[in-house]
Amino acid sequence: DVKVTQSSRYLVKRTGEKVFLECVQDMDHENMFWYRQDPGLGLRLIYFSYDVKMKEKGDIPEGYSVSREKKERFSLILESASTNQTSMYLCASSLRRGRPVEQPQHFGDGTRLSIL
Amino acid sequence: AQTVTQSQPEMSVQEAETVTLSCTYDTSESDYYLFWYKQPPSRQMILVIRQEAYKQQNATENRFSVNFQKAAKSFSLKISDSQLGDAAMYFCAYRSYLTGTASKLTFGTGTRLQVML
Repeated sequence: DVKVTQSSRYLVKRTGEKVFLECVQDMDHENMFWYRQDPGLGLRLIYFSYDVKMKEKGDIPEGYSVSREKKERFSLILESASTNQTSMYLCASSLRRGRPVEQPQHFGDGTRLSIL
Repeated sequence: AQTVTQSQPEMSVQEAETVTLSCTYDTSESDYYLFWYKQPPSRQMILVIRQEAYKQQNATENRFSVNFQKAAKSFSLKISDSQLGDAAMYFCAYRSYLTGTASKLTFGTGTRLQVML
């Protein structure tokens, strides 16, 4: 069965800290995504990667960076955490090949991040 | 850029009744894909149903069905025989036919569904 694992379910950090959110998938998916979920705003794409070492900015990349050194792992980095980055972060993955409707995105359980 | 609008922040339905969640979208593309995702309190996003824009037939998955109106750019979700386990946040999502950056999903703001006994 498909499995996307996010390293932490809850995380509390302080303003100015460098924060790493990790995501691992076991399905050999090429595409991996980081979303941010806020009430009333839905999910918004931060970054995505379609291959190892490849990345593209999403809709709200400011204040974030990503790393994809291995196919199964996609890390989201908050370079200097700020209170407005308090949110739920969701990782997802999908196959790049094939018909998109047959290869939907699979999501992790989310990390609820609080920046104090 | 594509946008997805869910105009109902909250809905409620009696157990065993039917409820319809609305979704409209804006796009200039002719080929695309539409999805409904469910997010229960456990937070795991679960794919409920999917629709290819070129198919006129509405998708159905057990108690879940859609009413896809391409000209009106409308993609509503109907849940029949509602169950307590259907209580969740429901997100409508759009995906371009194109690949690369466009393969991202664009989500609506969500509709929280409550199921009453």
